[in-house]
Amino acid sequence: AQSVSQHNHHVILSEAASLELGCNYSYGGTVNLFWYVQYPGQHLQLLLKYFSGDPLVKGIKGFEAEFIKSKFSFNLRKPSVQWSDTAEYFCAVTIYGGSQGNLIFGKGTKLSVKP
Amino acid sequence: NAGVTQTPKFQVLKTGQSMTLQCAQDMNHNSMYWYRQDPGMGLRLIYYSASEGTTDKGEVPNGYNVSRLNKREFSLRLESAAPSQTSVYFCASSDFRGTRQPQHFGDGTRLSIL
Repeated sequence: AQSVSQHNHHVILSEAASLELGCNYSYGGTVNLFWYVQYPGQHLQLLLKYFSGDPLVKGIKGFEAEFIKSKFSFNLRKPSVQWSDTAEYFCAVTIYGGSQGNLIFGKGTKLSVKP
Repeated sequence: NAGVTQTPKFQVLKTGQSMTLQCAQDMNHNSMYWYRQDPGMGLRLIYYSASEGTTDKGEVPNGYNVSRLNKREFSLRLESAAPSQTSVYFCASSDFRGTRQPQHFGDGTRLSIL
């Protein structure tokens, strides 16, 4: 079965540090890729998405992600984190074909930014 | 500009009680979803409705039923609540299932089963 792996369960950074959160998916065909963010006590919000074209996509709040097809990866990056980036981050994919079509989520990475 | 609205926001039930979680969206979306979120497990799909009049099981459907009442509303029912169903439940909607359109989420229902 298709799956999404997020390698880090909990990441702790100081303000101004750089961030990279890993995401890998297991599917050889066409995928759509998403990163969602969930701030404490809130619902999930879309950070960015990738469908095709330039593999480096920019999202809201200074986040970006790079799709590397050969590595089945879609890592999330931010050059300089802020305390307000403290949240849980979820990578997700949708897959074309057959009965697939729903979002498959990773288990999430909790980011804590120390002021 | 409500988006996806879930009620109630919090609920405490006793084992064996039943209840229905309500979800409504005002974006004219075709597809709607119910997820549960548990610590360290991410979001797991319970049921989805690809379009009005259809519903299908997701990854963890046992103990739940759903109704797609109309295009706007998609309810989740627990017939006999169990402590294992203690979770945060999110409803979501999207233009079409399996496309490039992202899902929009409600604020969640925090459910505790004693």
